[in-house]
Amino acid sequence: DTGVSQNPRHKITKRGQNVTFRCDPISEHNRLYWYRQTLGQGPEFLTYFQNEAQLEKSRLLSDRFSAERPKGSFSTLEIQRTEQGDSAMYLCASSRGLGGEQYFGPGTRLTVT
Amino acid sequence: QQQVKQSPQSLIVQKGGISIINCAYENTAFDYFPWYQQFPGKGPALLIAIRPDVSEKKEGRFTISFNKSAKQFSLHIMDSQPGDSATYFCAASIWTSGSRLTFGEGTQLTVNP
Repeated sequence: DTGVSQNPRHKITKRGQNVTFRCDPISEHNRLYWYRQTLGQGPEFLTYFQNEAQLEKSRLLSDRFSAERPKGSFSTLEIQRTEQGDSAMYLCASSRGLGGEQYFGPGTRLTVT
Repeated sequence: QQQVKQSPQSLIVQKGGISIINCAYENTAFDYFPWYQQFPGKGPALLIAIRPDVSEKKEGRFTISFNKSAKQFSLHIMDSQPGDSATYFCAASIWTSGSRLTFGEGTQLTVNP
């Protein structure tokens, strides 16, 4: 049973470029969550899916952010027109569903220059 | 609105000592309280969790104490080891909805040999 995987692990991009991150959850976990973590802070919730349905989005998820989980398996998080304030660690977690513990991946570290 | 407050921000203990980290929450709907351990450059790892039907849960050297009336919970690490040096986050959520985790700000623990 492999854990949650995320790719890439690190991404450096220039301001204004688009970036896309991928998350592969633990197999058979039907819930998938995205969080953002800045240095010295706890993770902040962005959005989550149950299977392919996006059930909740945080106010932090501006119009430049979009997340998908097209077949209820892996998920992508895209940031359009990146800004320096988007620099953070983007974390993905998965759980079995209602009442399930959330297990995190290693994260994708984004640096916007 | 900060819904989970964590203290202290940093903690230094000697090897073999007891580390204590405290958290307080505001939302009375929260009924699931996990603790995560995070090493630099890694994602948070689930350490131990408690639901409010019990006041204490112990797993190895790690114990959660829970006070529902005070809306507080704490993590005790007995016989602290240098390998325990990491950042610890408390979190809270509504278990049956399986939705977002709300995290505290984190405690950076250093265990000196």
